[in-house]
Amino acid sequence: EVQLVESGGGLVQPGGSLRLSCAASGFTFSSYWMMWVRQAPGQGLEWVANIKEDGSLKYYLDSVKGRFTISRDDAKNSLYLQIDSLRVEDTAVYYCVRDSGSQYDVLDIWGQGTMVTVSS
Amino acid sequence: AIQMTQSPSSLSASVGDRVTITCRASQGIRNDLGWYQQKPGKAPKLLIFAASSLKSGVPSRFSGSGSGTDFTLTISSLQPEDFATYYCLQDYNYPRTFGQGTKVEIK
Repeated sequence: EVQLVESGGGLVQPGGSLRLSCAASGFTFSSYWMMWVRQAPGQGLEWVANIKEDGSLKYYLDSVKGRFTISRDDAKNSLYLQIDSLRVEDTAVYYCVRDSGSQYDVLDIWGQGTMVTVSS
Repeated sequence: AIQMTQSPSSLSASVGDRVTITCRASQGIRNDLGWYQQKPGKAPKLLIFAASSLKSGVPSRFSGSGSGTDFTLTISSLQPEDFATYYCLQDYNYPRTFGQGTKVEIK
């Protein structure tokens, strides 16, 4: 079964750090762009970051640049999001997403999400 | 960043109704747009990519159209399982941007 399973969320104080992980299974992880998308409580979806198949290209939402780092370990079939200098406004469910597209984004596989709560 | 504006923000409809949701981009994005459905407490699901290409396995009552700045998602005959929130997403450039969502509720 093709699936993505996130972990690593939790409650953290402002200024703290977390490392989110996403374990991929059922497909050749190294062949796909991957993405993180977040959703604040009761709010809409927000794209956070992308990483190319080989890790050579990464893109970030402006508000997370310098604080978030997306990475991958193809040997472990895993995607990561290192989140530093956390802010209250980073509170959200974070989804790991597979992009199956070439010319277009085809976000066809989503994890169940992991909740990050930033609060003192 | 390209702004994506969906309308309406919410709508009430009955089973069997034809429903149309629009998404307008603040600049031209060719046909670089997808539509996603999200039910409460669940991850989003892809319905349409490249503005009008139906993802395999998605019912044919869903269709997408448009190019440039104006796009539509149409549900030809609303079914009980279609009550959800729908989002558009532009993949023309970075940062990727979603519309604010359209909640489809039961009348």
